[in-house]
Amino acid sequence: TQLLEQSPQFLSIQEGENLTVYCNSSSVFSSLQWYRQEPGEGPVLLVTVVTGGEVKKLKRLTFQFGDARKDSSLHITAAQTGDTGLYLCAGDTGGGNKLTFGTGTQLKVEL
Amino acid sequence: NAGVTQTPKFRILKIGQSMTLQCAQDMNHNYMYWYRQDPGMGLKLIYYSVGAGITDKGEVPNGYNVSRSTTEDFPLRLELAAPSQTSVYFCATFGWGGAAGSEKLFFGSGTQLSVL
Repeated sequence: TQLLEQSPQFLSIQEGENLTVYCNSSSVFSSLQWYRQEPGEGPVLLVTVVTGGEVKKLKRLTFQFGDARKDSSLHITAAQTGDTGLYLCAGDTGGGNKLTFGTGTQLKVEL
Repeated sequence: NAGVTQTPKFRILKIGQSMTLQCAQDMNHNYMYWYRQDPGMGLKLIYYSVGAGITDKGEVPNGYNVSRSTTEDFPLRLELAAPSQTSVYFCATFGWGGAAGSEKLFFGSGTQLSVL
């Protein structure tokens, strides 16, 4: 079983601050996805990264895939209360579209 | 299109009872999955299916069974419910769709199950 560790597990910050969430594994992934989940809902895809070293930007969110395709990071600039949620990374080892999900990072952004 | 529909939304079971969680999709996706999620944690794969008539175990299959007689439906059966099965269960499909036009997981809204 591939293990995807996310850090930190919990993060509580003030609006306007920057933050970075990390997703680490000893396994190599053919692609990695980031999801955000709000209470009572299923996860919603934010981005997919597939190339080692790839950087993708989605407004104030910046996603990076590690050169060795074993790790990834999510950076949020000037966090807003609407960014509050559970952030999940998920890696695909390339077999049968089975994603392995990370342990999750619960983010709370307060005024 | 409704996407992925799960029923029921909430359920309380007594230890030893059985139940079936329903999952239906109208996106014509071949891949379907059942995940469970404990509070504040990631998702663990229970079972998955790559098409009608084909199912396979995921990471945590014990205590569960599935069937896939049609492309649309992928029910999850719990036999002899135990407190350790208290969790939120998500059904998902994998394929093309959505505004971004990318291939991704589409999730249902989940079933909150408590076993007391």
